[in-house]
Amino acid sequence: AQSVSQHNHHVILSEAASLELGCNYSYGGTVNLFWYVQYPGQHLQLLLKYFSGDPLVKGIKGFEAEFIKSKFSFNLRKPSVQWSDTAEYFCAVRNSGYALNFGKGTSLLVTP
Amino acid sequence: ETGVTQTPRHLVMGMTNKKSLKCEQHLGHNAMYWYKQSAKKPLELMFVYNFKEQTENNSVPSRFSPECPNSSHLFLHLHTLQPEDSALYLCASSQEGGTGAYGYTFGSGTRLTVV
Repeated sequence: AQSVSQHNHHVILSEAASLELGCNYSYGGTVNLFWYVQYPGQHLQLLLKYFSGDPLVKGIKGFEAEFIKSKFSFNLRKPSVQWSDTAEYFCAVRNSGYALNFGKGTSLLVTP
Repeated sequence: ETGVTQTPRHLVMGMTNKKSLKCEQHLGHNAMYWYKQSAKKPLELMFVYNFKEQTENNSVPSRFSPECPNSSHLFLHLHTLQPEDSALYLCASSQEGGTGAYGYTFGSGTRLTVV
């Protein structure tokens, strides 16, 4: 079955630590890839997206993600997290039609 | 505000009630979506509308009935819901066509509690 997997369900980091959140998908063919963030009490916001071209994508707030086609992966990274990055992070994939398919999300807590 | 407005923000309803959720987008997008967000589960796609036409119904029970009168408005009519339908219902819109190189814009959601 087609799916999006996020391996880390809960992550706790200290401020200034580096972050990497895993995302793998099982769709074949051409895919569009997204990372969304949901801050506490707020709506889902687009962090970054990949459609084609350079597999290293830079997004807002210092986040980046790398598309590795051979590994069906689109991991999210940030070199140094801040307390304000505490949020839930969702990976999403679209391979045909208009629908986005989401992973279960990763809850990130950054401690001072 | 994101450009996608959902009302009400919170709704408590009994299992025999009929209520409606409303979504309005001010972005000129041509596609709109309903998603269900439950704890510990991925966001579940419910319905997709493109240019007011329903293009996907993701095996959603008939107690959920969508309506898209125009490309800016989307409703979700609810009747005889079950407690397990309690969740955050999210509306999203996108601009489709061309290269398809677009993401979704989400509303803030309606927190539904069925009692």
